[in-house]
Amino acid sequence: DGGITQSPKYLFRKEGQNVTLSCEQNLNHDAMYWYRQDPGQGLRLIYYSQIVNDFQKGDIAEGYSVSREKKESFPLTVTSAQKNPTAFYLCASTGTASTDTQYFGPGTRLTVL
Amino acid sequence: AQKVTQAQTEISVVEKEDVTLDCVYETRDTTYYLFWYKQPPSGELVFLIRRNSFDEQNEISGRYSWNFQKSTSSFNFTITASQVVDSAVYFCAPLLMYSGGGADGLTFGKGTHLIIQP
Repeated sequence: DGGITQSPKYLFRKEGQNVTLSCEQNLNHDAMYWYRQDPGQGLRLIYYSQIVNDFQKGDIAEGYSVSREKKESFPLTVTSAQKNPTAFYLCASTGTASTDTQYFGPGTRLTVL
Repeated sequence: AQKVTQAQTEISVVEKEDVTLDCVYETRDTTYYLFWYKQPPSGELVFLIRRNSFDEQNEISGRYSWNFQKSTSSFNFTITASQVVDSAVYFCAPLLMYSGGGADGLTFGKGTHLIIQP
């Protein structure tokens, strides 16, 4: 089945540790996105990538890093520099045009202990 | 800077009632796209509709309908004969364009939590 997968579903980390969230898609989409959602809030854009080996910062990129070595994969690393990392993280992808519909994965809920 | 306002934080209605969710956005762009997504308790965002700024026709899809008013920058969503399964958080999200024709990510409102009581 075509779709977007994110793993793990729940992630716990100790303060000061880096952690990497996985996002994979088999839709042959060119563009991929990472959003963060805090309780009772909308989603905010962290990073996005429109082609392999290229990515741009979104509105809240500080404390995060990404890579796009393969078209189907766009992992997000939450670094120790992110001051308040506990949140719900959603990955999305879209087709050849950046104006196409973004389809979302199931999300990863990160909790910092 | 763009802004999206979903003024209704939470709406509670009884099953079979009609309900309208409001969305007002701010933009100086003439070309943009508008989206609605549904977020059930599982957390995954489900795509509902995509509309470009040049198409002001209202759209109906089953029990769902959308009213786009470019003059007032509003893109409201109506559910007719609501059902318990409609209970979710609904997000309005414009996609704003660069001058060169590309776009980055969606801008989300805070969402409206819709509760349908049996």
